[in-house]
Amino acid sequence: AQTVTQSQPEMSVQEAETVTLSCTYDTSESNYYLFWYKQPPSRQMILVIRQEAYKQQNATENRFSVNFQKAAKSFSLKISDSQLGDTAMYFCAFMKRIGGSQGNLIFGKGTKLSVKP
Amino acid sequence: GAVVSQHPSRVICKSGTSVKIECRSLDFQATTMFWYRQFPKQSLMLMATSNEGSKATYEQGVEKDKFLINHASLTLSTLTVTSAHPEDSSFYICSASRVQDTQYFGPGTRLTVL
Repeated sequence: AQTVTQSQPEMSVQEAETVTLSCTYDTSESNYYLFWYKQPPSRQMILVIRQEAYKQQNATENRFSVNFQKAAKSFSLKISDSQLGDTAMYFCAFMKRIGGSQGNLIFGKGTKLSVKP
Repeated sequence: GAVVSQHPSRVICKSGTSVKIECRSLDFQATTMFWYRQFPKQSLMLMATSNEGSKATYEQGVEKDKFLINHASLTLSTLTVTSAHPEDSSFYICSASRVQDTQYFGPGTRLTVL
């Protein structure tokens, strides 16, 4: 069974600074996806970034980038130039590829990020 | 693109009544929809997976007779909480996806059972 671990329950960062959120996972699968979702106080889950395991290049989306280390099963999220609107719960998630069907998301327990002015 | 709506956003009902929550993919056809439950300060717990035109697949420990899921079209899935009790009070979130694609989430429904 796959597991996702986020070892930092809470983190804080000053506005405009950079912060890195950690995520490790355990799987015997070779084909899978990894995601970071954010959940602000509104509780709407928002996709931040997605990484396909077969791609060696780290995914980036504007101020958000990942450090994907497949051998180490690590998938950290770096937020640059942190903004107050980045304050949210961040969930790391794993999804395995299952032929032509849709896999389930396995979520970590989340990291609560607070951006301070 | 990839917008998912959920209705209602909040519902309060009396114990013993049934409540229906709708999940719609507004700008894409979703082959699969998922229903989650989230307790305060916790992660999302998958309740069931539904494919259009098929019976839902429930996770272990989720009562399928209590949480009825219908996925009648490629853009609509409904979750009905039957004979709701206070312990069913929670935040319910749906998501929708195409095959082998990212899940996009609805805004959630807060259910309070009195």
